[in-house]
Amino acid sequence: AQSVTQLGSHVSVSEGALVLLRCNYSSSVPPYLFWYVQYPNQGLQLLLKYTTGATLVKGINGFEAEFKKSETSFHLTKPSAHMSDAAEYFCAVSPSGGYNKLIFGAGTRLAVHP
Amino acid sequence: EAGVAQSPRYKIIEKRQSVAFWCNPISGHATLYWYQQILGQGPKLLIQFQNNGVVDDSQLPKDRFSAERLKGVDSTLKIQPAKLEDSAVYLCASSFFGSSETQYFGPGTRLLVL
Repeated sequence: AQSVTQLGSHVSVSEGALVLLRCNYSSSVPPYLFWYVQYPNQGLQLLLKYTTGATLVKGINGFEAEFKKSETSFHLTKPSAHMSDAAEYFCAVSPSGGYNKLIFGAGTRLAVHP
Repeated sequence: EAGVAQSPRYKIIEKRQSVAFWCNPISGHATLYWYQQILGQGPKLLIQFQNNGVVDDSQLPKDRFSAERLKGVDSTLKIQPAKLEDSAVYLCASSFFGSSETQYFGPGTRLLVL
């Protein structure tokens, strides 16, 4: 069965610092990969996704992620954190092909301090 | 374009009572999902509809949870009777048909069972 592991339930960075949120997945075949963001009392919003093609994926709000098959990872990065980036971030996988059931990690809460 | 609508936004009930949630997906989206998000965890898929047919309900506690999607548009999720452990946020999402398609989430219904 597929699973997703997000290392670090809480990450704290200074404004302007690099953001790195880690995600590893277990799958026998390369799945589709997603990062979602959730602001307080709101639903989830897609940041970016990888399906096929280029392994470096750019998303909204300056975020990007790189699919590394050899490491079964899909880490999320942003060069310079902004106060508005404070939220909860979820990594998710979906079996490639067929119906797209999403399997989510437990989430990482990002805090940005001045 | 209107997003996924859910109601109510908040609900407080006592254990053994029943409750129902409503979801209206984005127009034209064939696939509809209900997720349960317990505090501190990632969303977990409860049921997935393709038009008005069920394609995955493997994690739906069928002794107390039921869901329907009449005419392939709106959907309702019901819990009867509710237990304390059902306290969670219930998220509805929709997407076009296809395994790589983005899922769009509603704001969720926060349920507290006392």
